[in-house]
Amino acid sequence: AQTVTQSQPEMSVQEAETVTLSCTYDTSESDYYLFWYKQPPSRQMILVIRQEAYKQQNATENRFSVNFQKAAKSFSLKISDSQLGDAAMYFCAYMNVEYGNKLVFGAGTILRVKS
Amino acid sequence: KAGVTQTPRYLIKTRGQQVTLSCSPISGHRSVSWYQQTPGQGLQFLFEYFSETQRNKGNFPGRFSGRQFSNSRSEMNVSTLELGDSALYLCASSLAGTGKNEKLFFGSGTQLSVL
Repeated sequence: AQTVTQSQPEMSVQEAETVTLSCTYDTSESDYYLFWYKQPPSRQMILVIRQEAYKQQNATENRFSVNFQKAAKSFSLKISDSQLGDAAMYFCAYMNVEYGNKLVFGAGTILRVKS
Repeated sequence: KAGVTQTPRYLIKTRGQQVTLSCSPISGHRSVSWYQQTPGQGLQFLFEYFSETQRNKGNFPGRFSGRQFSNSRSEMNVSTLELGDSALYLCASSLAGTGKNEKLFFGSGTQLSVL
């Protein structure tokens, strides 16, 4: 079974600084997707960024970028120029293409942004 | 375009009762999946429906069931409620549920409290 591990229960960052959230996963599959979701206090899950396993290029979305290391099964999220609105719970998630929309989530990392 | 709508937002039930939660996907989306979120177990996949058929199922007891209607709206039912069923139940919709090049859009969830 696939597993996703987020080893940082909580992280803090100063406004305008950069922070990196860690994620590792375990799978024997070769075709899969990886995601970072943000869950603010409103509880709605918001997609931050997505990475296809077959793509070597790291995905970027504005201030958000990933460092995808397929051999090491590592998928970290870098948030640049942190803003107060970035404060939330961040979940790393894995999806095997064969199983449709079944996401396997990590335990989450609480990100606090200090002004 | 309206987002994923879950009703009700909050629900309080007592042990032994049953409950039905509703999820209306984004217009045109045919795949609906359900997740349970608890502080202890995190986010866990319950099941996924596509074109009125259950396509994937997580490791939950038979007390948890669901269905999908011809308009893609989905309901989730939990019978004989237990205290441990207290959780945030999230649903997500996507166009075709193939996983490939698809984005999952989540609703705001239904917070179920079992007393």
